[in-house]
Amino acid sequence: GDSVTQMEGPVTLSEEAFLTINCTYTATGYPSLFWYVQYPGEGLQLLLKATKADDKGSNKGFEATYRKETTSFHLEKGSVQVSDSAVYFCALTGNTPLVFGKGTRLSVIA
Amino acid sequence: NAGVTQTPKFQVLKTGQSMTLQCAQDMNHNSMYWYRQDPGMGLRLIYYSASEGTTDKGEVPNGYNVSRLNKREFSLRLESAAPSQTSVYFCASRRERGGNRYTDTQYFGPGTRLTVL
Repeated sequence: GDSVTQMEGPVTLSEEAFLTINCTYTATGYPSLFWYVQYPGEGLQLLLKATKADDKGSNKGFEATYRKETTSFHLEKGSVQVSDSAVYFCALTGNTPLVFGKGTRLSVIA
Repeated sequence: NAGVTQTPKFQVLKTGQSMTLQCAQDMNHNSMYWYRQDPGMGLRLIYYSASEGTTDKGEVPNGYNVSRLNKREFSLRLESAAPSQTSVYFCASRRERGGNRYTDTQYFGPGTRLTVL
């Protein structure tokens, strides 16, 4: 079945550092890809999405590009802030409900 | 705009007790979902309802039942709680039918933290 694999955390970065969280997927057909973020004590909220190959999703300085050839959707941000500390989930959907990766916890220190 | 609401926010049960987790959405969405979140496991789908009157099992349905009461409400019931059901439970909804199952955003509630002793 469909699955998502993302890098294990936790990831600890200093403020203004560059962030990459890797995500690869296995799916039949042409899924849509998502990044969700979960701040402490809250539910998940959509960060960005891409619905077809070569699409780039972006929001709040985060970006991810849908790479069909490498089945990847890596999350990047050029300069992280303390307020970006959260758990990030990569997910996909096609003919099925959302399938999530296990999440990557990011801690940004000042 | 409330979005997806869940009650209660916290609950402690003893083994063998029963309870129902409530979820409601005010976005006129057709599909609703129940997930559980456990450390290191991500979110796993328990049950979902693609439309009013239909429900389907997800990845981890054992020990749970659901009811799609109407278009707005989707409840999750634990008939005889077990310590293995200690988790954070999230309800979600998505537009679909008339929308696009591939691209529509899924919206999440704030979660219910359940502890079974």
